[in-house]
Amino acid sequence: GAGVSQSPRYKVAKRGQDVALRCDPISGHVSLFWYQQALGQGPEFLTYFQNEAQLDKSGLPSDRFFAERPEGSVSTLKIQRTQQEDSAVYLCASSPPGGIYGYTFGSGTRLTVV
Amino acid sequence: GESVGLHLPTLSVQEGDNSIINCAYSNSASDYFIWYKQESGKGPQFIIDIRSNMDKRQGQRVTVLLNKTVKHLSLQIAATQPGDSAVYFCAEMVRNAGNMLTFGGGTRLMVKP
Repeated sequence: GAGVSQSPRYKVAKRGQDVALRCDPISGHVSLFWYQQALGQGPEFLTYFQNEAQLDKSGLPSDRFFAERPEGSVSTLKIQRTQQEDSAVYLCASSPPGGIYGYTFGSGTRLTVV
Repeated sequence: GESVGLHLPTLSVQEGDNSIINCAYSNSASDYFIWYKQESGKGPQFIIDIRSNMDKRQGQRVTVLLNKTVKHLSLQIAATQPGDSAVYFCAEMVRNAGNMLTFGGGTRLMVKP
């Protein structure tokens, strides 16, 4: 597609519920990144894939957060047993082979945990 | 709609004036820097970038200045327009070390017509 597509755009979850957020990167983009953006703050790195390999998950805040990209294209960020502090916008970005140029963000999924 | 920058520092300028947004970065090993514009309900949008071997780069109506000595970046927007109203973030990267971005805290730019 023309850009990075994320779904759903909005998600309201009851505390304790599991959620799955989807990212469709730009076709051909090898690298895929997830970021978390709390209200009024800059995005913070969560995890990074190169093709299907998860090369860095140092930013995941707890073991309730899990990301996968099984075929090296679409990625899913899963949050188990959601807590109120998980409320944020979750942004996905992708970049082409060679890395840094063409780093493009999606519009994000706003997660609200009630 | 939702607001990206409810608690961010705000710069208010008159339409047609020049704007300067400043950013301090944290990692002296960072060798690539990007300025992003973020409007409500949207993801960050690339504006301009600069490598660490440069101290100035110009685009269309925008200029980025890099001072590595004091780890400072600035974004200059010439002839600011109402459409420039948004939250602006600087981001730093250590290339070829995963290429993840570290973002600064952001500045909200408000342009008065």
